[in-house]
Amino acid sequence: GENVEQHPSTLSVQEGDSAVIKCTYSDSASNYFPWYKQELGKRPQLIIDIRSNVGEKKDQRIAVTLNKTAKHFSLHITETQPEDSAVYFCAASILTGGGNKLTFGTGTQLKVEL
Amino acid sequence: DAMVIQNPRYQVTQFGKPVTLSCSQTLNHNVMYWYQQKSSQAPKLLFHYYDKDFNNEADTPDNFQSRRPNTSFCFLDIRSPGLGDAAMYLCATSSGGLAGGNPWTQYFGPGTRLLVL
Repeated sequence: GENVEQHPSTLSVQEGDSAVIKCTYSDSASNYFPWYKQELGKRPQLIIDIRSNVGEKKDQRIAVTLNKTAKHFSLHITETQPEDSAVYFCAASILTGGGNKLTFGTGTQLKVEL
Repeated sequence: DAMVIQNPRYQVTQFGKPVTLSCSQTLNHNVMYWYQQKSSQAPKLLFHYYDKDFNNEADTPDNFQSRRPNTSFCFLDIRSPGLGDAAMYLCATSSGGLAGGNPWTQYFGPGTRLLVL
């Protein structure tokens, strides 16, 4: 089955700096890569996603890049703010006729310090 | 607002006492998922329904069962909860390509936190 590795496990940045989180996946058939933000005690919330036919996607301060050959993808957050502090999970899945089963990375605790 | 609803938000049960968690959705999505998330860990898929078709993950214990009586509702039954089953249980939905929606995105409910005494 799919295996997703995520690094780093914790990340501290100063407000206004950039943050980068990296993930690798094992199954070359995976074709959908979402990123979720989860605040303590709350549900995971989708912040950005990318499909395998796209190399990069950006939404305001958030961007995701995908390298299919190397089987890794990264989340980039620019101009970080204290409200960006949360746990971030990457995931990989294969969209089939029966839905898409997400395999999550182990998570990154991001702390944005004033 | 269309959404994914989970009840109860907190559930306390006794060791070995069956418990049922519920999930409902107003998104008219075809696919419903159940994830288990233990403290400081990533969500782990237990099983999912594509319409009425049940898909169990290979490593999901037999102690966990699920029912989907109709499109809107899905239940997670834990037949004999052990201390190791204490976790947050997250329900999610995706359109499956039907209802004109993006088939990729999964929408999560707020979760039910299960405590086993």
